Amino acid sequence: DAGITQSPRYKITETGRQVTLMCHQTWSHSYMFWYRQDLGHGLRLIYYSAAADITDKGEVPDGYVVSRSKTENFPLTLESATRSQTSVYFCASSESGGYYGYTFGSGTRLTVV
Amino acid sequence: EDKVVQSPLSLVVHEGDTVTLNCSYEVTNFRSLLWYKQEKKAPTFLFMLTSSGIEKKSGRLSSILDKKELSSILNITATQTGDSAIYLCAVRLDTDKLIFGTGTRLQVFP
Repeated sequence: DAGITQSPRYKITETGRQVTLMCHQTWSHSYMFWYRQDLGHGLRLIYYSAAADITDKGEVPDGYVVSRSKTENFPLTLESATRSQTSVYFCASSESGGYYGYTFGSGTRLTVV
Repeated sequence: EDKVVQSPLSLVVHEGDTVTLNCSYEVTNFRSLLWYKQEKKAPTFLFMLTSSGIEKKSGRLSSILDKKELSSILNITATQTGDSAIYLCAVRLDTDKLIFGTGTRLQVFP
């Protein structure tokens, strides 16, 4: 399917476990982003990537790890999940220049118990 | 610290009303300002503004940027219940980071 897809859609995990959220895009967009959305905070940037093998921190990177070995994939890993990481996570992509806006995936709702 | 602020946080109107949503920003290396609409799922792109004073329009929605005042407004005329959503303002920096405001929740009642 064309577009940007996130998996899983829903995930419940326990405190201290490692969990990986997947993001895949089919447009060969150079830029990819991870955001979390929480009530009262809006969308906050966790990490972003300008190209394969290039990643950079956003506003709230602590506790998260990313990698981008291939242009189309940008997985987000919570190394040791905490309750404060319960959130909705959105992946987004854009071509260089972002002239057509940034396109978002459908989101992953993560609950850490 | 880069910051995007939206107001009001919440708005309740009746169908047919006109609403104005505000967005102000304080960022380094501004490149453009974007508006998104978010219903139940992912934000969907509405407008991108790069130049001051040029209105962008799509049906009943319009938006304009004021780079001198570091702000933008989104207008919705003749509101409909389908306009109920969270409206997000975001600023794109030279680094291609996109910084979001907290959003305005609009509820339109029949």
